[in-house]
Amino acid sequence: AQSVTQLGSHVSVSEGALVLLRCNYSSSVPPYLFWYVQYPNQGLQLLLKYTSAATLVKGINGFEAEFKKSETSFHLTKPSAHMSDAAEYFCAVSDGGGSNYKLTFGKGTLLTVNP
Amino acid sequence: GAGVSQSPSNKVTEKGKDVELRCDPISGHTALYWYRQSLGQGLEFLIYFQGNSAPDKSGLPSDRFSAERTGGSVSTLTIQRTQQEDSAVYLCASSFGLSGNTIYFGEGSWLTVV
Repeated sequence: AQSVTQLGSHVSVSEGALVLLRCNYSSSVPPYLFWYVQYPNQGLQLLLKYTSAATLVKGINGFEAEFKKSETSFHLTKPSAHMSDAAEYFCAVSDGGGSNYKLTFGKGTLLTVNP
Repeated sequence: GAGVSQSPSNKVTEKGKDVELRCDPISGHTALYWYRQSLGQGLEFLIYFQGNSAPDKSGLPSDRFSAERTGGSVSTLTIQRTQQEDSAVYLCASSFGLSGNTIYFGEGSWLTVV
């Protein structure tokens, strides 16, 4: 069974500050890992994904995440927050080696960016 | 359009009524997924289709929920005898099918049971 824990349901940063959203996973097989963003009243948009290639993954809008197997983590970062980054962010895991492609999501982290 | 299309976007129904939610996946995508998003439970997997068959329907919360997919394309999620706890956003998604391929989500169907 797989699970995802996102530490902090709400993160608040100032515009221009570092964004760090934490995600830890549990998986019995090598995982594939994803970060999705959800803007108000919209669906989920993929930011980036790790599928066993490079451990540092770059995504859209200046976000990146690093897969650390020893820490079972996949934290999302952005060097400088922009007002438009305010949204809810979801970390997800899927079975990288199996035949079931479903995603298991964390509870989400709401990012607020203050001017 | 090129994305996952869901209808209706909003639905208000009376308790006890049946509802049908429709999903039109991205053309050519063989895998289709239904998720539910609610305040208390977050994002929950309901069911996934590979072609017209459903290898995993483990997330359907009760036998009031069912889903089908025809022609390897459009899917319908049916909720019978709706209850207030069924109020949520129902998200459909699709992918090309292979593990690790990007899963694209629709904008959801907002269901309110009164």
